[in-house]
Amino acid sequence: GPKVLQIPSHQIIDMGQMVTLNCDPVSNHLYFYWYKQILGQQMEFLVNFYNGKVMEKSKLFKDQFSVERPDGSYFTLKIQPTALEDSAVYFCASRSQGAPQNTLYFGAGTRLSVL
Amino acid sequence: QQQVRQSPQSLTVWEGETTILNCSYEDSTFDYFPWYRQFPGKSPALLIAISLVSNKKEDGRFTIFFNKREKKLSLHITDSQPGDSATYFCAAPNYGGSGNKLIFGTGTLLSVKP
Repeated sequence: GPKVLQIPSHQIIDMGQMVTLNCDPVSNHLYFYWYKQILGQQMEFLVNFYNGKVMEKSKLFKDQFSVERPDGSYFTLKIQPTALEDSAVYFCASRSQGAPQNTLYFGAGTRLSVL
Repeated sequence: QQQVRQSPQSLTVWEGETTILNCSYEDSTFDYFPWYRQFPGKSPALLIAISLVSNKKEDGRFTIFFNKREKKLSLHITDSQPGDSATYFCAAPNYGGSGNKLIFGTGTLLSVKP
């Protein structure tokens, strides 16, 4: 099936440093998402992105967070500076259309450990 | 405020039994309910989904029952197998804001013992 690739799979970083999580969505998908999951708990929506713009962000999407997708490159989530509570698994997802009936495909996740 | 609730939080069944996972919601605008399955250390993947126009959706051993009046759904897994051991998430689309996003429930951790 369609693959969403995430790099790296695991990132260890000191509190206060910057981190960039990379996502290569399914080709020809137009809608991109980031979700946060702590210790196998529920998936929490962070942000969605379409046509080069943030469409909606949740309260979890702090001012220290930013997303972008320069043409032809990864869809990225940047955290600057990082905090201890940012430790979690971050899942990137994409779908071809905005309608919810279109399947949301998830990457394998990036486990972020902030020390 | 939890928009999609699931119960139980965890469940253990024996191989061959029928597993029943529950999901409920409050928002009347929710009209589509996908269930995602997540194996340990893996990403969630769509398992089965149902829309508001249906009361039941079946796919092999997996069946969703939908009670619209009570805003409750249940996922039934017949002849449960150890390979079904995973976390199951019920989800719903939230049309609020300027984009479509899926809101996930808290999940049910299923363990099927041989």
